[in-house]
Amino acid sequence: DAKTTQPPSMDCAEGRAANLPCNHSTISGNEYVYWYRQIHSQGPQYIIHGLKNNETNEMASLIITEDRKSSTLILPHATLRDTAVYYCIVRLTSGTYKYIFGTGTRLKVLA
Amino acid sequence: DVKVTQSSRYLVKRTGEKVFLECVQDMDHENMFWYRQDPGLGLRLIYFSYDVKMKEKGDIPEGYSVSREKKERFSLILESASTNQTSMYLCASLRENTEAFFGQGTRLTVV
Repeated sequence: DAKTTQPPSMDCAEGRAANLPCNHSTISGNEYVYWYRQIHSQGPQYIIHGLKNNETNEMASLIITEDRKSSTLILPHATLRDTAVYYCIVRLTSGTYKYIFGTGTRLKVLA
Repeated sequence: DVKVTQSSRYLVKRTGEKVFLECVQDMDHENMFWYRQDPGLGLRLIYFSYDVKMKEKGDIPEGYSVSREKKERFSLILESASTNQTSMYLCASLRENTEAFFGQGTRLTVV
């Protein structure tokens, strides 16, 4: 399974867009990019995922570069409740997989 | 509403005790995972199971074993608890091509 690299921490002003980068330079063609977040003392929660195309849902947007070696999670209007650790992982589209999490990015939204 | 339930939210055990952490999911998922989470280290995979009675080691299996006798239940066993196993333990489940669902976690303290 491909590994991911994320910055350890970021700050964002409340109401502004939060852009969280992820590098997955060894990703293969049959691996999805998934994003989760973990609010203090809770289990991680799914945010969004994508394979090739950009994706958007009610929580966030996911931008995947054309070569698929990196992606950016965008929270369009960050609120204080978005303060959390954000994890980017890659996983195979089928078959058995380890589902490895890294250390994530600790996002702090500032009032 | 989908659910992954961990048997205890907080647990205190003595060194040398045999400890069972239980995880139950009600989504008929094939894959289940056990992670531990320590400050600064993110989520580290201990074991995972892709079917009943099937298991594979994750990145840090030493000192742990697992049991999957029924599809909905995945148990993590600490054969002889040690203080360095004090941690937050998280269980997750997923079906192929779906996101992972996590339990609320068990904070284990070994004294």
